[in-house]
Amino acid sequence: DIQMTQSPSSLSASVGDRVTITCQASQDIYIFLNWYQQKPGKSPTLLIYDASNLERGVPSRFSGSGSGTDFTFTISSLQPEDIATYYCQQYYNLFTFGPGTKVEIK
Amino acid sequence: QVQLQESGPGLVKPSETLSLTCTVSGGSISSYWWTWIRQPAGKGLEWIGRIYSSGSTNYNPSLKSRVTMSVDTSKNQFSLRLNSVTAADTAVYYCARGTSGLDYWGQGTLVTVS
Repeated sequence: DIQMTQSPSSLSASVGDRVTITCQASQDIYIFLNWYQQKPGKSPTLLIYDASNLERGVPSRFSGSGSGTDFTFTISSLQPEDIATYYCQQYYNLFTFGPGTKVEIK
Repeated sequence: QVQLQESGPGLVKPSETLSLTCTVSGGSISSYWWTWIRQPAGKGLEWIGRIYSSGSTNYNPSLKSRVTMSVDTSKNQFSLRLNSVTAADTAVYYCARGTSGLDYWGQGTLVTVS
């Protein structure tokens, strides 16, 4: 089984700050990684697919990078509506989600 | 616009079988993978498994012995059965579409085992 870790588990930042979340896979997953946003009480939504591709309609302040075992998700300028939990997900071998990173406004 | 809607009992007794159905509207169920995910209150997402429109399945190894998925293309529906449930199976259950990225999700349905 492929295990996914994320750090930090939570963070608090100010509006306009650059926010970075990392995701690590237990083995090489190439670029088979997606990122989701889940707002409180809502279903997750796909933001980034194949490690770095922005899903249609997703604001350009969101971006992703990485390959192999180490990946990064960035919000270039945090907005109040970005308050959510963010999950990475691998699909190299079945599916596994990371434990999530909760983003709050300072 | 594709929409997914989960349906099924919100309360299941321990040791019994949890059964949920996801109805797809606004698009065909054919030629896609359809997935079940669950989320216990305050916790993260757990992938349960997926089924292709042809009936091929993949399951989470940790749940494989208790999970069965099926698809009914005539009704544009797919279903989940999880047997021998315990309190640990209490969660919001989501259905979703996607081969790699899950691009459409249902609103989720809370199933309590008690």
